[in-house]
Amino acid sequence: DVKVTQSSRYLVKRTGEKVFLECVQDMDHENMFWYRQDPGLGLRLIYFSYDVKMKEKGDIPEGYSVSREKKERFSLILESASTNQTSMYLCASSSSTPTDTQYFGPGTRLTVL
Amino acid sequence: AQSVTQPDIHITVSEGASLELRCNYSYGATPYLFWYVQSPGQGLQLLLKYFSGDTLVQGIKGFEAEFKRSQSSFNLRKPSVHWSDAAEYFCAVGANRDDKIIFGKGTRLHILP
Repeated sequence: DVKVTQSSRYLVKRTGEKVFLECVQDMDHENMFWYRQDPGLGLRLIYFSYDVKMKEKGDIPEGYSVSREKKERFSLILESASTNQTSMYLCASSSSTPTDTQYFGPGTRLTVL
Repeated sequence: AQSVTQPDIHITVSEGASLELRCNYSYGATPYLFWYVQSPGQGLQLLLKYFSGDTLVQGIKGFEAEFKRSQSSFNLRKPSVHWSDAAEYFCAVGANRDDKIIFGKGTRLHILP
């Protein structure tokens, strides 16, 4: 069965901290995505990766960076967390194109105090 | 750039009643269209998708959607809802197979017993 796992379901950090959100998929998918979900705004794409060490900015990349050193793992990094980054973060993967079925993890709810 | 609109933020229907969730997109050509569902505390799951061919698409859990080019719509339907259908539903659009997809803001479905 297809599985996307995220390292934490809930995370509380302080302003200015460096935050790492980890995502792992076990489907040998080429594409991986990080979305941010906020009430009334839906899902917004932060970054996506179409291959190891390859990445592209999404719609809201400011304040975030990503790392994909291995095919199965895609990390989202908040270099200096701010309160406006309090949100639900969803990771997804798809087989070979972004329009292939995307499989989502359960999400990480991040609170920045 | 493509965009997607879900006009209804919340919809309430009685169990056993029929359902239609609206989705309108803005794009010149025939886009890639999707409906995803997010049950409480879960990641998103694909219900169905349309690329080409028959404009009436069947999905999982008894859902279907119809692509209407003249109305730029891709509405989701179910003839009889169950309490387990209570969730948030997202319509999404991609310009072509290699393009990122854009999600709508979601429609939250409430089911009355």
